Amino acid sequence: KNEVEQSPQNLTAQEGEFITINCSYSVGISALHWLQQHPGGGIVSLFMLSSGKKKHGRLIATINIQEKHSSLHITASHPRDSAVYICAVSSMDSNYQLIWGAGTKLIIKP
Amino acid sequence: NAGVTQTPKFRVLKTGQSMTLLCAQDMNHEYMYWYRQDPGMGLRLIHYSVGEGTTAKGEVPDGYNVSRLKKQNFLLGLESAAPSQTSVYFCASTEQGDTEAFFGQGTRLTVV
Repeated sequence: KNEVEQSPQNLTAQEGEFITINCSYSVGISALHWLQQHPGGGIVSLFMLSSGKKKHGRLIATINIQEKHSSLHITASHPRDSAVYICAVSSMDSNYQLIWGAGTKLIIKP
Repeated sequence: NAGVTQTPKFRVLKTGQSMTLLCAQDMNHEYMYWYRQDPGMGLRLIHYSVGEGTTAKGEVPDGYNVSRLKKQNFLLGLESAAPSQTSVYFCASTEQGDTEAFFGQGTRLTVV
């Protein structure tokens, strides 16, 4: 079983829809990261959080430490949001190495 | 402020050839990492460094060597390239072990 699991693996939605991507983990963490990777592009950090909720523009990230679960929400989705969204955790048990989820491929159709 | 810069961006190697990938960061970060990304798989850690002069093995270190002679640079070497090393390589840096990660644009390496 992977230590970081994301769902869904693939998500296709219409422009304007509210998007939710989920991340569950099974290790002790000091922080959880959400990152974005556009096709053929680099990787950009969206959020790093260890508790509660963070918001940046149309993106919202939440984390529930007790349930070992995080969600990334996109409001009023747009085709330019099409990308792979990756969840990663800084594991306290492995010298803070990042443990990566497999990513969620999001396609927003106009 | 360039962040994290990787060179080269693309490279084609013949089996058995050697090469070095350079990662440079200008944020005075202590930690630097080399990952590979293969289709359908998450990022896998090759080697990392927690400070100048230090290196450590990650999840998939075989066939690679690294050096961190200067704090701002982290070099990844392939001594004898194999087709299995065809991948996209990403370098990243963090101020400390559990702070925000900054990534380079990636190097697409093909070994034929």
